Amino acid sequence: DTAVSQTPKYLVTQMGNDKSIKCEQNLGHDTMYWYKQDSKKFLKIMFSYNNKELIINETVPNRFSPKSPDKAHLNLHINSLELGDSAVYFCASSQITGVGEKLFFGSGTQLSVL
Amino acid sequence: GESVGLHLPTLSVQEGDNSIINCAYSNSASDYFIWYKQESGKGPQFIIDIRSNMDKRQGQRVTVLLNKTVKHLSLQIAATQPGDSAVYFCAENSGGSNYKLTFGKGTLLTVNP
Repeated sequence: DTAVSQTPKYLVTQMGNDKSIKCEQNLGHDTMYWYKQDSKKFLKIMFSYNNKELIINETVPNRFSPKSPDKAHLNLHINSLELGDSAVYFCASSQITGVGEKLFFGSGTQLSVL
Repeated sequence: GESVGLHLPTLSVQEGDNSIINCAYSNSASDYFIWYKQESGKGPQFIIDIRSNMDKRQGQRVTVLLNKTVKHLSLQIAATQPGDSAVYFCAENSGGSNYKLTFGKGTLLTVNP
């Protein structure tokens, strides 16, 4: 019954490989995100999708391609992996509250590129 | 656990004390702010939020204060417990209607029993 679930939790791969991370939310939210967290814990937004449509793309290299088959899913495909791609990647979805927009995060995918 | 050389601001408190975590935000046009808690190996978890037309908001054991004049946000945790040990992030919405949360650096809170 996890609200935002992403798989796999750990991903170890060689430089140059292509890999995908999947994300699903069962909260009925319209907006989903990918965030990257580096080794210093700095969290930076990568992409945002609203109802399957890309609305934010934060100058991420085009080796990263998000895909949203429906509003409950936002997958991240990464081509030609580089050492610098090693990080924890978080998927999130959001809900508009009376105050603002509250993000719910998945538990993260730790990507290690060797 | 946390890796060596994380260089996060840290705050160490005794169990039962009150904690205050501070954050300076960058964009004077930001209209919405959130505090998140991230425990080791988990994703960030929502704690409390506040809009820019407010200067204080209270939740259960937590209070957020907003000072727009100096672009400062603080999170107060009352009667801190060991379970409060985590990295705390402030975030601001700098994207207007296209909500885009920009996260601050994070503060590592350690609660000593």
